Amino acid sequence: SYELTQPPSVSVSPGQTARITCSGDKLGDKYASWYQQKPGQSPVLVIYQDSKRPSGIPERFSASNSGNTATLTISGTQAMDEADYYCLAWDSSTVLFGGGTKLTVL
Amino acid sequence: QVTLKESGPVLAKPTETLTLTCSVSGFSLSSSRMGVSWIRQPPGKALEWLAHIFSSDEKSYSTSLKNRLTISKDTSKSQVVLTMTNVDPLDTATYYCARTPRVITIRGGFGYFDLWGRGTLVTVSS
Repeated sequence: SYELTQPPSVSVSPGQTARITCSGDKLGDKYASWYQQKPGQSPVLVIYQDSKRPSGIPERFSASNSGNTATLTISGTQAMDEADYYCLAWDSSTVLFGGGTKLTVL
Repeated sequence: QVTLKESGPVLAKPTETLTLTCSVSGFSLSSSRMGVSWIRQPPGKALEWLAHIFSSDEKSYSTSLKNRLTISKDTSKSQVVLTMTNVDPLDTATYYCARTPRVITIRGGFGYFDLWGRGTLVTVSS
């Protein structure tokens, strides 16, 4: 069965760039989206269709998807970005979340 | 304003059938290329997609749970219902519904979850 792998945790200093990866076989052939979830809250869509940003999501959030890896990049990370982040892969036969990455801003 | 609200039992007993309802407002379940998905999250664990249904009535289920799940919609009531048979303590989770736009590109069709409900916690215990 298909699997998506995310690092359990990523740490970043305020103002620096955080990169969260999501790996899966030929992931670049599927469409990736990314979700932010803060404690006690519902997930929020931050990226869809590999690299598109919904309205209201800050420009510091960007993403790419190629080969076997999708990457979420947060430039100029702020304390408010501390959260769990989940990737999602979708194609005609797959709808699957990654295991999630806890982003710590310290 | 688009909202989704999950409802269902707080507690279920093992082997029972669980019925969850997602009531939506601000969009129509008959809108072209629009759907609703169910996603769950066990306490302290990752998100897990369960099923989705589109305006065309196209349905899809998680491979691991498809034998236990049924998704349906009542457009006139603006509701999407998920039933899960033979529940087990491992089904204890917060269950979310999410609006799911469907996009068709030259690479094929896909969806994503653009708006989520607040979730409902279901505990399975005897």
